[in-house]
Amino acid sequence: QKEVEQDPGPLSVPEGAIVSLNCTYSNSAFQYFMWYRQYSRKGPELLMYTYSSGNKEDGRFTAQVDKSSKYISLFIRDSQPSDSATYLCATQPLYGGATNKLIFGTGTLLAVQP
Amino acid sequence: NAGVTQTPKFQVLKTGQSMTLQCAQDMNHNSMYWYRQDPGMGLRLIYYSASEGTTDKGEVPNGYNVSRLNKREFSLRLESAAPSQTSVYFCASSSRDLVGVAYEQYFGPGTRLTVT
Repeated sequence: QKEVEQDPGPLSVPEGAIVSLNCTYSNSAFQYFMWYRQYSRKGPELLMYTYSSGNKEDGRFTAQVDKSSKYISLFIRDSQPSDSATYLCATQPLYGGATNKLIFGTGTLLAVQP
Repeated sequence: NAGVTQTPKFQVLKTGQSMTLQCAQDMNHNSMYWYRQDPGMGLRLIYYSASEGTTDKGEVPNGYNVSRLNKREFSLRLESAAPSQTSVYFCASSSRDLVGVAYEQYFGPGTRLTVT
């Protein structure tokens, strides 16, 4: 079993829809959760990060963590064609130490249709 | 401030050839990483360097070597390329966040390598 599981998609939605992207993880030591966005033929870029259970909002994006069920979600409100990208979840222990190694999901490909 | 830069952007090798992928960061980060990204496999860590002068194996180190030349530069070498090493290679560097106990990684644009 992979430490982080993510549905690869692709997920296709109409412009303006609410998008829900999800990951599950297996190791309860993971405390730090991130979402990266990767446009086609580009490197991943950090979108949001959170330490704790609950919600964190940034504009149209909301990251949600449920540690009791080991479930991570990213919601995109009023989705735009410019949101079309691959979204990768990532996690690590809170005290990652000098190594700072992240565990990535495989990514979900999102297409927002105009 | 260029962030993380990688050269070359594209490369085609024949089986058995060698090459070095270059990576540099100008953010004064201590930690640097090399990943490969393959369809359906996500990002897999090849090697990392927690600080200047140290390197360690990641998840998929076989067939690769690395050099942390200085704080800015971290290179990845393929000594004898194989078709299984056809992939997109990303370099990343890491800083400490404002709280001081967690880290974010910043990625370069990638190198697309094909081995025939």
